[in-house]
Amino acid sequence: EVQLVESGGGLVPPGGSPRLSCAASGFTFSSYTMTWVRQAPGRGLEWVSAIGSGGGTTYYADSVKGRFTISRDNSKNTLYLQMNSLRADDTAVYYCAKIGGGYRFDPWGQGTLVTVSS
Amino acid sequence: QSALTQPPSASGSPGQSVTISCTGTSSDIGGYNYVSWYQQHPGKAPKLMVYEVNKRPSGVPDRFSGSKSGNTASLTVSGLQAEDEADYYCISYAGSNNFVVFGGGTKLTVL
Repeated sequence: EVQLVESGGGLVPPGGSPRLSCAASGFTFSSYTMTWVRQAPGRGLEWVSAIGSGGGTTYYADSVKGRFTISRDNSKNTLYLQMNSLRADDTAVYYCAKIGGGYRFDPWGQGTLVTVSS
Repeated sequence: QSALTQPPSASGSPGQSVTISCTGTSSDIGGYNYVSWYQQHPGKAPKLMVYEVNKRPSGVPDRFSGSKSGNTASLTVSGLQAEDEADYYCISYAGSNNFVVFGGGTKLTVL
């Protein structure tokens, strides 16, 4: 069974720098592009970042460019999101997802909540 | 990275059909057949319902169908059931510069 499990969320002060992790299992992790998507409380989904299968190609939404860094460790089947200079509007549930053929996001993890507050 | 435009809400009675639109540009929906649709129930992770405009993953009922015309994609839910009440999002590939764009979401209510 394909499974994605996020971790690393919690209460973070403004300006904080948490790192989120997404542990993958049930598929050949190193063969797939992976992505992070977030959802602020009561709001819609917002794409954050994506990384190619080998880690050499990365993409970012304008809202996080220069503050967030996506990376992966294919030997550990784990995706990461290093978040820097956090602001209140970064408060959200952060989901990781596998990108399959046709740029389909499937499956998604259960999400991890990041709350930026003093 | 402009968002795709979805109506904020849609509704229908059990057994009826409802169609949700998703409008983009020639740089995303109009340029590629890579539109996907997701269902999200409250407190849950999104679930893939349709990909590549009109393909259904295994396990998704054939009551869910997708289509595209020009810069607008659509998701039709036929034979509405109570469990179809959820938020629905569209996503389109947008080329190597922007990668993907998301719709703002549509809340589907089954009356």
